[in-house]
Amino acid sequence: DAKTTQPTSMDCAEGRAANLPCNHSTISGNEYVYWYRQIHSQGPQYIIHGLKNNETNEMASLIITEDRKSSTLILPHATLRDTAVYYCIVHWPDANNDMRFGAGTRLTVKP
Amino acid sequence: GAVVSQHPSWVICKSGTSVKIECRSLDFQATTMFWYRQFPKQSLMLMATSNEGSKATYEQGVEKDKFLINHASLTLSTLTVTSAHPEDSSFYICSAWDRARVPGYTFGSGTRLTVV
Repeated sequence: DAKTTQPTSMDCAEGRAANLPCNHSTISGNEYVYWYRQIHSQGPQYIIHGLKNNETNEMASLIITEDRKSSTLILPHATLRDTAVYYCIVHWPDANNDMRFGAGTRLTVKP
Repeated sequence: GAVVSQHPSWVICKSGTSVKIECRSLDFQATTMFWYRQFPKQSLMLMATSNEGSKATYEQGVEKDKFLINHASLTLSTLTVTSAHPEDSSFYICSAWDRARVPGYTFGSGTRLTVV
């Protein structure tokens, strides 16, 4: 069963903020929300993760709702190089706990 | 940041031959490594989990005799596709786990296998 639900695709204008939603209504108390992205023919690239507080780093911001059932990844100023498939993953980080990918959201940043 | 090197980045082989893909953690020790396969326009699918010094655990439907995984050291895991066939053509990606790092998982750059 899919643990996250994301839109199949989204478009964003270059220079504008890209807001990528993710629903994870069955998230467990100890599971984190991770975001990775995959540019064509490359391995997944880590973006950000969080447990319950909002997080920000040099790449993006992660907004997690108070009930933790959904989150939004924000790319503040999207560039053409941000065109990729974005994966939202809920996961308890442990050596024997593999990371499973859903279908993700294909974000296309347009000039 | 943590770096996981995958080699080769692409390979073309003849049907019936075997191909070995290496996954190395360059600046950290990985107690666990994961192997994924990705077909065109699809997501990553976990194939197997390998722990250093022990046998790999394969996902249902993945043939362990066809996809041989060796994790002989804390920095190297190999995936050998034996008797490759055109349907094995895919993008293979490894991931290495290190509890001391954030995030704990670091992915390799992937290997594009084409069997002709």
